[in-house]
Amino acid sequence: GAVVSQHPSRVICKSGTSVKIECRSLDFQATTMFWYRQFPKKSLMLMATSNEGSKATYEQGVEKDKFLINHASLTLSTLTVTSAHPEDSSFYICSAKNSGMNTEAFFGQGTRLTVV
Amino acid sequence: QKEVEQNSGPLSVPEGAIASLNCTYSDRVSQSFFWYRQYSGKSPELIMSIYSNGDKEDGRFTAQLNKASQYVSLLIRDSQPSDSATYLCAVNTRDDKIIFGKGTRLHILP
Repeated sequence: GAVVSQHPSRVICKSGTSVKIECRSLDFQATTMFWYRQFPKKSLMLMATSNEGSKATYEQGVEKDKFLINHASLTLSTLTVTSAHPEDSSFYICSAKNSGMNTEAFFGQGTRLTVV
Repeated sequence: QKEVEQNSGPLSVPEGAIASLNCTYSDRVSQSFFWYRQYSGKSPELIMSIYSNGDKEDGRFTAQLNKASQYVSLLIRDSQPSDSATYLCAVNTRDDKIIFGKGTRLHILP
């Protein structure tokens, strides 16, 4: 399968600071990238969908000013958690796919964010 | 109605037996269906994709799709302890998002 690299894999930050997470597709062009959040023993919840060169589409209940998504190129999308709070602590996972309905999405390794 | 539904389990299957995982989806327009495996603390890994009605086999895995019934399943033959994980059913929606079910926890009994 295709390779998606996500960094960092683990980050601890203080309340009120911002954290940037990078998601890169290494061997294919990712026209669409998805950002998910997963709390312990819970399902993957889609936060937003980003298409290269356009604004991200956020799911209901996800604050776009808090979770800033940039998809500036066909191989890179970033998620910035701004003014992080302890309740933002979670496992954040990106996935990337090429355009078209019949294409698989491949996941990055995930980022475990802990806000203290 | 939730978009993608799965039984959360846990589903316990003896080693060497067939594990059967099921999933239903609500959007009739969906054309692409996926099974992912997720180990605890790790991100999901794609196992199978299926787009047409019928069966698709890959090694010990067989995905089955019935669009009329809006039903997708995954069979794992000769189950191994390493197959113990959470299996996520995912569907590509009409607006090209990939939505996941809550996952079924599978436990292979040695």
